[in-house]
Amino acid sequence: KQEVTQIPAALSVPEGENLVLNCSFTDSAIYNLQWFRQDPGKGLTSLLLIQSSQREQTSGRLNASLDKSSGRSTLYIAASQPGDSATYLCAAPGSGAGSYQLTFGKGTKLSVIP
Amino acid sequence: DVKVTQSSRYLVKRTGEKVFLECVQDMDHENMFWYRQDPGLGLRLIYFSYDVKMKEKGDIPEGYSVSREKKERFSLILESASTNQTSMYLCASSANRDRAFWGDQPQHFGDGTRLSIL
Repeated sequence: KQEVTQIPAALSVPEGENLVLNCSFTDSAIYNLQWFRQDPGKGLTSLLLIQSSQREQTSGRLNASLDKSSGRSTLYIAASQPGDSATYLCAAPGSGAGSYQLTFGKGTKLSVIP
Repeated sequence: DVKVTQSSRYLVKRTGEKVFLECVQDMDHENMFWYRQDPGLGLRLIYFSYDVKMKEKGDIPEGYSVSREKKERFSLILESASTNQTSMYLCASSANRDRAFWGDQPQHFGDGTRLSIL
């Protein structure tokens, strides 16, 4: 069964810093990995989905990478802004019959200090 | 943009009541999901539907049932609500381009329903 871990659980950085959020998964036979953002009391917003055939995916100041062999993904945020403050979750599907089911990490709570 | 709408943002019900949570998506997605989110436990899948009238159990289906009579609507039913079902409930949908793998497209989430059972 897929297990997803995110480290650190919380991160506080000054505005303007570049930062990296980490995600690791145990079942490397995945087709893709998805990163989400969640604001307090709200649902999840899909940020990036990286297919297994890709190594990176970019959207604006966000860049996500996927290394299946090591079971790791990173989300890089450039020039952080206070509006980036939120909880960031990664999610990976299982393989085989469980491939529809996403397993979520518990998230990294990011605070960007003005 | 994909729009997933959950009928209520906040809901308060009594123990033993039958509770209906509704979710509607406007993108003609085949797949729909119900999750619950609890502090320290993260998101857990309750049920998944890949087509009208089709459903699969997730990790925690006990005490819940679902209904999908139309493609755009997926309902979660608490048959007899209990206090341990107090939680944030999130609905999601995704397209299904590859029948061999239901997870190839991103999941899009609604804003959630915060349900309190007293």
